Amino acid sequence: EAGVAQSPRYKIIEKRQSVAFWCNPISGHATLYWYQQILGQGPKLLIQFQNNGVVDDSQLPKDRFSAERLKGVDSTLKIQPAKLEDSAVYLCASSLARGNLPLHFGNGTRLTVT
Amino acid sequence: DQQVKQNSPSLSVQEGRISILNCDYTNSMFDYFLWYKKYPAEGPTFLISISSIKDKNEDGRFTVFLNKSAKHLSLHIVPSQPGDSAVYFCAASDSGNTPLVFGKGTRLSVIA
Repeated sequence: EAGVAQSPRYKIIEKRQSVAFWCNPISGHATLYWYQQILGQGPKLLIQFQNNGVVDDSQLPKDRFSAERLKGVDSTLKIQPAKLEDSAVYLCASSLARGNLPLHFGNGTRLTVT
Repeated sequence: DQQVKQNSPSLSVQEGRISILNCDYTNSMFDYFLWYKKYPAEGPTFLISISSIKDKNEDGRFTVFLNKSAKHLSLHIVPSQPGDSAVYFCAASDSGNTPLVFGKGTRLSVIA
C-alpha cells in the first residue's frame, strides 16, 4: 500500500511570496489533514477534510492560508503572502474515515521563509 | 494552552536499558492516546495506542501505560536499541471526534 505522498520536499521563498504544497493521501482514505509543525513543537492541525468538504478549519489563518480538496482525493495547501513565522514543516495525513485512528502521515514539506 | 504536555525535551539511555517517556494531558474528554515516532526528514509514524478503557497495552518491546486519574501516560521501551533514537510524540483524541492533539515531543537518544 502506497503511503501519503507530498511534494515538494523542500521549499525556500522570500517573505510576501506565495507557495503551494500538494498531498495525495492513501488510496481510499476519505479524511485528509494538514498539520503545521514548527521547530521544537508538535504538529498543529490547520485543516481537516472529509472527502471534498471542510470539517475543521478553525486554526487555519484564513487571511493568508487556503486549502482545497476539489475531487475528494488529493489536496493543495497555499500560503499567500508568506511570513517569516510560516517557516515550518507542513505535514499531510490521512485516515479511512473521520474519527478513524491512527492517522498516516506523509514525509512533509519543509518551508523556509527568508 | 497545551492540552498534551511532554515535559522532557530529551532523554538519553544506554542500549539494552529501559526508556520511559512521559506524557500528561489536561482535557478529561480525551479517551484515546497514541504514540508516534519521528525520524529526521520523515513524517511521524504510528507506534502504539491505548484506549481509556485499558490501563496497559503492549506490542513487542513497547508498552504504554495509562493512569486516567492522574491524566498521565507513559511509553516504555525495553530493551532500548540504537534504532529507537528518534523524537517521540504523544497524541490524544476524544473518540476521534476532534483531530489529534500532539505534545511537543521528546527526543530519545539510545547510546550504544
